[in-house]
Order: sequence, then C-alpha cells, then structure tokens
Amino acid sequence: GENVEQHPSTLSVQEGDSAVIKCTYSDSASNYFPWYKQELGKRPQLIIDIRSNVGEKKDQRIAVTLNKTAKHFSLHITETQPEDSAVYFCAAASPPGNTGKLIFGQGTTLQVKP
Amino acid sequence: GAGVSQTPSNKVTEKGKYVELRCDPISGHTALYWYRQSLGQGPEFLIYFQGTGAADDSGLPNDRFFAVRPEGSVSTLKIQRTERGDSAVYLCASSPLLVLGAYEQYFGPGTRLTVT
Repeated sequence: GENVEQHPSTLSVQEGDSAVIKCTYSDSASNYFPWYKQELGKRPQLIIDIRSNVGEKKDQRIAVTLNKTAKHFSLHITETQPEDSAVYFCAAASPPGNTGKLIFGQGTTLQVKP
Repeated sequence: GAGVSQTPSNKVTEKGKYVELRCDPISGHTALYWYRQSLGQGPEFLIYFQGTGAADDSGLPNDRFFAVRPEGSVSTLKIQRTERGDSAVYLCASSPLLVLGAYEQYFGPGTRLTVT
C-alpha cells in the first residue's frame, strides 16, 4: 500500500524566514496531495492541496510543489509568523478506487521564533 | 456554515467495555471518513463511507471495530471489548461529492478515547 515519509520531524525558524517541509510517497498512482495544519488539541485544518495534474499551487504565503517523477511534494511557507507554529501533516490519496482515503506523513513540528 | 461535529469530546471507559462515537458531517457531504490519531502521529485511516455504504473498511484494525451510517448522514463508530491500545483521538472527516481527483476532507474536533 501507499507509504508517505515526511521530514524534517521538527523545524525551527526565525520570524520572517521561510520554511520548507518535504514528503515522499511510494505509489505512483496517488493523485491528490493535501497539507494539514494542526494546533495543539485542535482538529487538522486543510491549508492547501494539489492534484497530480498540477506542478505547483500558491495561496498567499503558502505554496505546494509536486514532482510526480520523483514522487515527492513540498510545502513552502514564506514570511513566517509566530501563528504559523503548529504541526503540519502531508498526505496522499491512496488508490485504488478513488475513495480519497488519505495516508498521512508523520508530521513536522514547526516553531517560529519571534 | 456548521463544520463537522463529534460527540463526545472525551470518553473514558474501562477495559472490556463497549463505546460508541458519533460524527455529524457537514450538511450535503456524501463522503465520510474515520481516522484514528495516536499521540505524536499522523491520522490513520479506518473506514470510508460513500452515502450509506462502507466503501472501504480496510483500515479497521480488527472485528471489534464497526461503523455505520444508516441514513447517509450521521455516522457512529462502535468499539467492542475495548483495550488500552484503543486509546487515541478518533477523528471524523467529511467531503463533498467526489470529483475525480478532488478529495478535500474537513475534519471534526475528534473524540479523545481513554481506556483504563
């Protein structure tokens, strides 16, 4: 089945710097890749996603890139702010059947220091 | 509009007891998912419903776990003979009618289950 690896497990940056989180997946048939932000004790929140027919997507300070050949995708956060501090999870929608079942990475704890 | 809701928010039960966890999806969302999240881990898929039917239950760990969605809206996850290893946060997510390649899932706040 699908396997998603995420790194780094922790990331500390200064406010205003950029942060990059990377994920790799194993099943070349996976076709949807969302990113979730989870604050302590809260629900995962969908922050951005990308489909397999697109190479890059941007929404204000966050962007996601997808390299289907290499089977990896990345989250980029620019001009980081303290409120960006949270755990970030990548995921891949695992075939077959196009059920949308998500396989999650292990998470990255992002700390933005003011 | 209202998001996904889950009840109870916390549940403490003794080993061997039966528990039911409820999920109210976003109105109109036909797809519903259950995940389980252990401390420090990403959510782990349990089961997926499209309408009333369980289209994929490959993530249920064993036959003590069962879920229903009888009217295609509210879903209940049922756990029999609970074990301490079942302790986790159980998350529900819903998604609108699937367009191929688009599976935006919106999560509820979760039910924290503690088995003593």
